[in-house]
Parts: sequence; C-alpha cells; structure tokens
Amino acid sequence: ETGVTQTPRHLVMGMTNKKSLKCEQHLGHNAMYWYKQSAKKPLELMFVYSLEERVENNSVPSRFSPECPNSSHLFLHLHTLQPEDSALYLCASSRWQGNYGYTFGSGTRLTVV
Amino acid sequence: QQQVKQSPQSLIVQKGGISIINCAYENTAFDYFPWYQQFPGKGPALLIAIRPDVSEKKEGRFTISFNKSAKQFSLHIMDSQPGDSATYFCAASMTGGGNKLTFGTGTQLKVEL
Repeated sequence: ETGVTQTPRHLVMGMTNKKSLKCEQHLGHNAMYWYKQSAKKPLELMFVYSLEERVENNSVPSRFSPECPNSSHLFLHLHTLQPEDSALYLCASSRWQGNYGYTFGSGTRLTVV
Repeated sequence: QQQVKQSPQSLIVQKGGISIINCAYENTAFDYFPWYQQFPGKGPALLIAIRPDVSEKKEGRFTISFNKSAKQFSLHIMDSQPGDSATYFCAASMTGGGNKLTFGTGTQLKVEL
C-alpha cells in the first residue's frame, strides 16, 4: 500500500446514479487532491484541499462534488455523470507548504454506462 | 506559461540500453521538478526529484539532468530493464502559493528483451 487508500477500486454506474469515491491517508499530510486520468491525456487536476479548505476548483462540472471532512479523508460525490466522465480518478496527498512530492492512491476506475 | 511539455510520447528501448525522456517548461518560477513512474492499474509513484540549485541528481540507475538556462530537464534510465516498462511523468511546481504540481503528458516506456 502506498499510504493513500482509495475505494472502490472499480465502479460501474449508470448516468442517473449517485455514488461516492473515498480517499484516506494517514501520512500526516495536510493537502489532498483529486485528479482525473483519461487515456492519452495528461493528468487533470480537479480539486485541491489544504487544511480541509478547498483552495482550487479547476472548472469542474457540478456533477462532481468534493468533500473533505478532515485532513485524512477526501470524498468525491458523483451524480448524473456522462459517459465521457469514464476515467481513472486518482487521489493524492502531500504537505501543503513547500515543494514536496505527492503520494498517490491506486485510483478508482470509473465506467459510466 | 504553466505548461510542462514532455517528449517523446512513447519510447521503445532494448534491455540494457539508456532511456531518455525530456521535459521543457516556460515558467522560470518553477523550482521543484519531480518525476513519477506509473505502472498499469496503479497510481503514479514519486521516482526522483531535483531542485534547480544542482544540475544533476542520481539515484541508482535513474538520473535527472537539469539545464536551468534552457529550461529543460530530463530523466535518464541506465541499463534499462523490462521491469522499467511503465509510464513516466515529469512535473514542476513553485515555492509559495501551496504545493501544486503541473504534470507533463507522460511517456510510455517499453523495454524489450
């Protein structure tokens, strides 16, 4: 395990469903991130949380709703998704101040049908 | 100006050869340059990183070369092995404003026997 745990690993959902992705870290980090990874595209930063406050929202559609209840947990709530939202969703954590590498989870492979 | 351009998109190297992946950036405020390695079904993992006060950093078979004046940095994998077959991402960030990495588009490396 990398220190960042994501569940579920795989998710298939219909366009009218509501589901949530979960991310958990116990590395003592105070920043958490959601990334979208699609085939043949660069990693797309979706949301950044620092000290449980959202500090960045990169023009992500409202059908994606993040939640960070504490510094160890991050959720991505999904509703009325589109097939083009099918991708690997990666969570990462790091220290917020200074330049440090991220620790990524293994991701949730999402398929929207 | 926030972009990090990475090349090549894919690379095939014979076992024992040298793999070279290049990245270029425009933002001179970037001062931290990590490389990530991603295997299928896994999240990216930090491989090696460099700060601009040095021109080279070596860890085992992996070396980062950094050219501040050209705004370029590269990853060299010496004695490439089939187990090195993965996707490699370069990234960059700047001090201040929080720890936000800008990623390159990735290079898919295949090391053949």
